[in-house]
Amino acid sequence: DGGITQSPKYLFRKEGQNVTLSCEQNLNHDAMYWYRQDPGQGLRLIYYSQIVNDFQKGDIAEGYSVSREKKESFPLTVTSAQKNPTAFYLCASADRIEGSSYNEQFFGPGTRLTVL
Amino acid sequence: KQEVTQIPAALSVPEGENLVLNCSFTDSAIYNLQWFRQDPGKGLTSLLLIQSSQREQTSGRLNASLDKSSGRSTLYIAASQPGDSATYLCAVSTSGTYKYIFGTGTRLKV
Repeated sequence: DGGITQSPKYLFRKEGQNVTLSCEQNLNHDAMYWYRQDPGQGLRLIYYSQIVNDFQKGDIAEGYSVSREKKESFPLTVTSAQKNPTAFYLCASADRIEGSSYNEQFFGPGTRLTVL
Repeated sequence: KQEVTQIPAALSVPEGENLVLNCSFTDSAIYNLQWFRQDPGKGLTSLLLIQSSQREQTSGRLNASLDKSSGRSTLYIAASQPGDSATYLCAVSTSGTYKYIFGTGTRLKV
């Protein structure tokens, strides 16, 4: 079964803690993305990666970090520097079509992070 | 800077009605446009992808059109059903970038 998995589904964080959200894909896609979704808002890009060992900041990267050591994995760490981390986090992947552009995005089921 | 707008933010229609959802974008230099469905608390499900060279795509009761010159895309849903109730989002990929810009979505209730 091909697709994207995210874990955990729900995550609770205490003030001052770092937490890591997992994202794995078996679609053999080159690109992977992390988005944040707040109630009533669209998706905002946190980080994206086009290839192993390379990633770029999105529009709201402050307080987050990522790694891309394997093609199929793109974990996101929410650090204590992120002042308002309570949100729904979505991971996505896409396959390169030609040049610098990508095709259809596929999404995981999301992780809901709550700060206690 | 690409901006994507979806109006209205919410829409309620009776079962069986045909309906149109709108997506507007400011930069016509797009590579593709994708429509998604999101159920409450869930991830996004891809509905249709339109490449910049295409005018429309169809899947079952769904038809998406693209007019790059006017910066608009529409998602047409025929014979709406209660199961169509969800939030619908559009996203555009601008040529030469790896990023997708999302609209804020239209929440549909049938």
